[in-house]
Amino acid sequence: NAGVTQTPKFRVLKTGQSMTLLCAQDMNHEYMYWYRQDPGMGLRLIHYSVGEGTTAKGEVPDGYNVSRLKKQNFLLGLESAAPSQTSVYFCASSRQLAGGTGELFFGEGSRLTVL
Amino acid sequence: RKEVEQDPGPFNVPEGATVAFNCTYSNSASQSFFWYRQDCRKEPKLLMSVYSSGNEDGRFTAQLNRASQYISLLIRDSKLSDSATYLCVVNIWGATNKLIFGTGTLLAVQP
Repeated sequence: NAGVTQTPKFRVLKTGQSMTLLCAQDMNHEYMYWYRQDPGMGLRLIHYSVGEGTTAKGEVPDGYNVSRLKKQNFLLGLESAAPSQTSVYFCASSRQLAGGTGELFFGEGSRLTVL
Repeated sequence: RKEVEQDPGPFNVPEGATVAFNCTYSNSASQSFFWYRQDCRKEPKLLMSVYSSGNEDGRFTAQLNRASQYISLLIRDSKLSDSATYLCVVNIWGATNKLIFGTGTLLAVQP
């Protein structure tokens, strides 16, 4: 039972480099999310998707782009990485939007360091 | 003021102890409430929902006080395996249905 899988798990970037985080879910969920978690800040929503081909901005979208070309995949892109984007990134999916049942299924996280 | 506030802890308790965490929320439009558990360097996982009437799941009891705008989590007979960070999560319904995560309370159960 894979659930939600994120790749890569760890990455170190230099300022200005670009990269893409891949999230894949095998639960046939419509809704997918990208969060970042920083010390003392809690999880903050970057972008989310309510279905294949759709994306929407969350609380902290600046500096990130997303795409959902296939229902099972949700990609998070950093076009020009900045040190402020050093964080742990979590992808999640759910059957209902956000708090329908409150249950989000998270991936294991991707630790990104921007030097 | 943060929308969801928790005491960061750590709460250091011996095995077998009873421990309680509170979480306050500021938005009266909050409709649903949850506790998530996050082990060190792992992903968050739903522990339990919090209903108006309160609910219990084994050693865990969650309660909601809408008048005072707080929710609580009580853990009885603490186990070493309960050591984790407990995240309070509030769902705000409206134009944008969204979940607000607290920063978490760290519990360390000592042998």
